[in-house]
Parts: sequence; structure tokens; C-alpha cells
Amino acid sequence: SQKIEQNSEALNIQEGKTATLTCNYTNYSPAYLQWYRQDPGRGPVFLLLIRENEKEKRKERLKVTFDTTLKQSLFHITASQPADSATYLCALDMRDDKIIFGKGTRLHILP
Amino acid sequence: EAQVTQNPRYLITVTGKKLTVTCSQNMNHEYMSWYRQDPGLGLRQIYYSMNVEATDKGDVPEGYKVSRKEKRNFPLILESPSPNQTSLYFCASSSLGGGAETQYFGPGTRLLVL
Repeated sequence: SQKIEQNSEALNIQEGKTATLTCNYTNYSPAYLQWYRQDPGRGPVFLLLIRENEKEKRKERLKVTFDTTLKQSLFHITASQPADSATYLCALDMRDDKIIFGKGTRLHILP
Repeated sequence: EAQVTQNPRYLITVTGKKLTVTCSQNMNHEYMSWYRQDPGLGLRQIYYSMNVEATDKGDVPEGYKVSRKEKRNFPLILESPSPNQTSLYFCASSSLGGGAETQYFGPGTRLLVL
């Protein structure tokens, strides 16, 4: 069955640097891959969606890449700020209307 | 304001006492979904619905029921709750299913089953 791995449970990055988070999946490539931000005790908030035929998507300081050969998506936050500290989740479709989420990466931006 | 609402936000109950968590969205979305979130396990999909009267199992449906009689509402029913259903529950909706569009999440319902 499809599995998702996000690179690490926690990641510490110095303010101003680029944070890079990884989402790897097994088996077949999804048609869509999404990234969400979640703050403690709150629901996830959608950030970006990338389709299987897209290599890269950008939104302000955020960038997502999708490599179906490596079965991997990378999520970048450039010029990171302490306010970017949160848990980031990747999610992918199962090609049958189901959605599965990774366990998330806790990102800490250090001032 | 576009939103997904859930009630109650917090609930303490005892084993075996039936309960319902309501979920409502005001965006006329076709797709609605329930998730539970547990430490170390992440978000797991319980049930989803593509439209009225169309529901299907997610990854962890055991012990749960849902119904979709109206487009805007998607209640989660625990007929006989057990302590292993203690969790944080999220409802979500989107205009299309399967991750094709943004999912909007509710604020969450924290459930404790004693």
C-alpha cells in the first residue's frame, strides 16, 4: 500500500535561511500532492498543490517541487521567519478519492 | 466567511455511550471527509463523501459511521465509543475529491473516552 515519509520529525533552521522539507512516497505516483501547515491545536491550512505533470509551483516565499522519478516532493521556505515555525504536512491522493497524509515535520525557525 | 464548523469542540464521554460530532460547510463543496489525528500516527482518513448519499471508507473506518443526507452536513457517529477512539478529530471539505483541490479543515474536536 502507498506510504508517505516526511524527512524528519523536527527541523531547526536559522532565521533568514531556506528551509527544505522532504516528502517521499512509495509505489505509484499520485495525481496530486498537497502541502499544509498546522499550528498546535488547530486544523491544517492548505498551502500549495502540485499536479503530477508539474515540476514546480511557487507562491510568495514558498516553492514545491515534484519528482515522480525519485518519488519525492520538496517544500522550500525561503527567507524563513520565526512565524514560519509550525508543523508541515504533505498529503497525496490515492487515485481513488482517498487522501493520505504524512506524519509531518515540525519546523523551528531560530531567531 | 467560508468555513467548516464542527461541534462540539471538546467532549468527554464514557465507553459505550453513543455520540455524534457534527460538521457543516458553507462553501457548497461536493467532497467532505473526516480525519483523526494521534501523536506519532499523523492524520488518518476515517470516511469521505463525494456527494449526497455517497460515502466511502478511508483508512481507519472501524467503529465509526457517517451520513450525508444534505450537501452541507457530514456528521460523524460513534455508536459505542471505546477509549482507543480518544483522539483529535477534523472534518474537511473541498470542491473536488481526491486531493484535486484545496481541502478546508474545521477547528477540530477533541474527544476523550473514559
